[in-house]
Amino acid sequence: GAVVSQHPSRVICKSGTSVKIECRSLDFQATTMFWYRQFPKQSLMLMATSNEGSKATYEQGVEKDKFLINHASLTLSTLTVTSAHPEDSSFYICSASPKRGQETQYFGPGTRLLVL
Amino acid sequence: QKEVEQNSGPLSVPEGAIASLNCTYSDRGSQSFFWYRQYSGKSPELIMSIYSNGDKEDGRFTAQLNKASQYVSLLIRDSQPSDSATYLCAVRTIQGAQKLVFGQGTRLTINP
Repeated sequence: GAVVSQHPSRVICKSGTSVKIECRSLDFQATTMFWYRQFPKQSLMLMATSNEGSKATYEQGVEKDKFLINHASLTLSTLTVTSAHPEDSSFYICSASPKRGQETQYFGPGTRLLVL
Repeated sequence: QKEVEQNSGPLSVPEGAIASLNCTYSDRGSQSFFWYRQYSGKSPELIMSIYSNGDKEDGRFTAQLNKASQYVSLLIRDSQPSDSATYLCAVRTIQGAQKLVFGQGTRLTINP
């Protein structure tokens, strides 16, 4: 149980284009999903928290207009990196919690983004 | 002071020995503590969660929590080469609602 998938697993795009990453909870309903970014040899940095049906809460320093998050259903959240630049190249990982207030987070396999 | 601190390592342990990973946190009101394992190029996977003082054992893994000292540790008995990974300590702080704060991770290498 508690399986989270992400798509795509890897994406290469040109600078200035937008990239959408999907995060799905496969065997549970996720009222809350989290988006993280991880640069090489660094720990996970939380970008935003999204609750189904409401606006995402962004961490300090994360541009909400650049990283668009949509959590339209209890099993799907999407992160769109708009006008991507090389410095956005990173490992993007989502996680999901089965219940509101449930602390345990289950991670997706991650999406490696390379912006040329 | 970082909210969650870990020794980044690398920590080298011979195969079969006990690996001890440590984590300290700054928010005294923190209630929930987690250990995740992350292999290179992969996402984290949950190993243990612990909520109350004392030890919690699961197979070869034992988590230890001491809230008075704001300290949580992970012991891996009979270490195997497959245990070589980065271990992330995560804490749910009371101010942070549902979010977790992660330490920088400790890189563990088990030497055959």
